[in-house]
Formats: sequence, structure tokens, C-alpha cells
Amino acid sequence: DADVTQTPRNRITKTGKRIMLECSQTKGHDRMYWYRQDPGLGLRLIYYSFDVKDINKGEISDGYSVSRQAQAKFSLSLESAIPNQTALYFCATSDPRSRTSYNEQFFGPGTRLTVL
Amino acid sequence: RKEVEQDPGPFNVPEGATVAFNCTYSNSASQSFFWYRQDCRKEPKLLMSVYSSGNEDGRFTAQLNRASQYISLLIRDSKLSDSATYLCAVNVQRSPYSSASKIIFGSGTRLSIRP
Repeated sequence: DADVTQTPRNRITKTGKRIMLECSQTKGHDRMYWYRQDPGLGLRLIYYSFDVKDINKGEISDGYSVSRQAQAKFSLSLESAIPNQTALYFCATSDPRSRTSYNEQFFGPGTRLTVL
Repeated sequence: RKEVEQDPGPFNVPEGATVAFNCTYSNSASQSFFWYRQDCRKEPKLLMSVYSSGNEDGRFTAQLNRASQYISLLIRDSKLSDSATYLCAVNVQRSPYSSASKIIFGSGTRLSIRP
């Protein structure tokens, strides 16, 4: 089974709809991240969380909100989706306590979101 | 200026060639550096970390130049299976008063190996 899972894997929605993307991990990592990826722009950080009580905005947080329900779960919401939020969304985790993989990011399989 | 910049490519090289990518970063306090590989429609996966003395893993060599603030990835004897997008990533301090940090990714360099 995958260590980092995302649901849904694909979603098509309409402008103005509320959408939630979910991420779960079984790695036991404290740190979790949400990125979006657009052609030519690479991965851009939306929000990140270093533990359940620590949530921070990334470089492109406008139009998004997050919830860290537990150590293993980090969800991303689009309160009112708009077409320029069409992108590939990745969740990731990391474990800064690891000697061998300090700051390595482990990504989920991605959610392809299309907003019409 | 972007915090982390890469040449987007694409690099189209024949099998067996040597290819090199560079990635520049703007924060001189950055401490950790990484190369990730991303296959089409897949998630990025760590290829190798880059530390101060540089490191080598088989056909792949990563180097760090702190003075000029760039990291490089060299692929020797390239294979068809090396075709992918290569993302560099840099650890950035969250604030001068915190040991917490986050990773900033470059936009990726696309590599295509032809037979």
C-alpha cells in the first residue's frame, strides 16, 4: 500500500463549487505539505503544516484553506473554485528527525483537478 | 527573482550522451539541496541529495557551488529510461529565529533521451 494517498485522483467541477482534496499518510511524519503543479511553473507551495497545531501559508495560499485533522491527515479546500485553479495537486510529507532522509519530501500520487 | 531557477529545457540528447543541468538559488543561507525526478503524470521522487562536497551515485553526480549559489546534476552514459523532468529543490529557512524550514522547488528541466 502507498504511504501517502490522495483522494480523489481526478475531479472535474464547475466554477463556484466547494472542493476538498484529502491526503492521508502512514509514514508517521509530522510535516505535511500541499503543492500545485502547472506546466512551466513547477511545484508551488500552497500550505504547509509542521504539526497538528502549526499551519502556515505558502507562496500561493489565496483561494485555498487547509485543515490538519490529525497527524496523518491534511486536507485542502477550495471554497469557491475558479478555472485558474485547474492544476495537478500534490500532497507531501517529510520527517526532519530522519538522519538519512532529512527534509526529503515524499509525495502522494497527485489529484488532477479541472475547474470548468 | 525566483528563489530557485532552472533551465526548463527540453534537453534532447542521444542515448549514451552526457548531460548536465544547473539550478541557481537566491538564499545564501540555504543548507540542503536535492534533485528530484518526475516521470510524466507521476509524483516527484527523490533522486539524490546534494551536500557540500557533492556526491555521486552510479551515473549521476550532483555538485554544489556555494560561492555562485548553484547546484548541478550530471548524467553520464544516458539511457532511454532517464527521460523525465528533473526538479531541483532547496531548503529555505523559515525565519532567522526558527530552525524550521521548508523546501522550495525549481520549475524543472525536461530531459528526453533519443535512441
